Amino acid sequence: GAVVSQHPSRVICKSGTSVKIECRSLDFQATTMFWYRQFPKQSLMLMATSNEGSKATYEQGVEKDKFLINHASLTLSTLTVTSAHPEDSSFYICSARVPSGVYEQYFGPGTRLTVT
Amino acid sequence: AQSVTQLGSHVSVSEGALVLLRCNYSSSVPPYLFWYVQYPNQGLQLLLKYTSAATLVKGINGFEAEFKKSETSFHLTKPSAHMSDAAEYFCAVSDTGGFKTIFGAGTRLFVKA
Repeated sequence: GAVVSQHPSRVICKSGTSVKIECRSLDFQATTMFWYRQFPKQSLMLMATSNEGSKATYEQGVEKDKFLINHASLTLSTLTVTSAHPEDSSFYICSARVPSGVYEQYFGPGTRLTVT
Repeated sequence: AQSVTQLGSHVSVSEGALVLLRCNYSSSVPPYLFWYVQYPNQGLQLLLKYTSAATLVKGINGFEAEFKKSETSFHLTKPSAHMSDAAEYFCAVSDTGGFKTIFGAGTRLFVKA
């Protein structure tokens, strides 16, 4: 099956610094990847849709200057949380859409970000 | 606009008992429907999907779901719960283009020994 990896799995950073999270599709090419944020005991909130070679599409209320998304290749999308603050602490999950067949998404294992 | 409602944020069953997790959807176009499972501190794993073919869909780990258009439902069932089924379950709906998937709030399944 399709495998999506995320790195790092956990990261702790100081307030004001930036953090980059990588999302890779390991055995397929993903023209579209998605970034979600999940608060404890809650559902996934779509932050943005990342398309290879073009600008990401952000959901309403998501600050594009704070959450920088780059989808430079068909297997890699990155999310950079700039000038992180404690309220940015969350579980970030990426997914990739398999372009053939039904458009289900394959999810990465998630990244736990803690901003101190 | 599409939406998903999962009835019951928590469901508790005994090991060996029937599992029933409820999902109702709203969609103005023929939907694609999915059930995902999430274990603690992990991403989501696809359990099964409905793609407008057979209305009874079988997935992994013994789960199945039935699409009922008249009831706009896509409930998830498993005949006999196992301790390893304890997890968070999400129902999701996508338009046929698959450009955006909407997730329900999730149902946490507890399995008692």
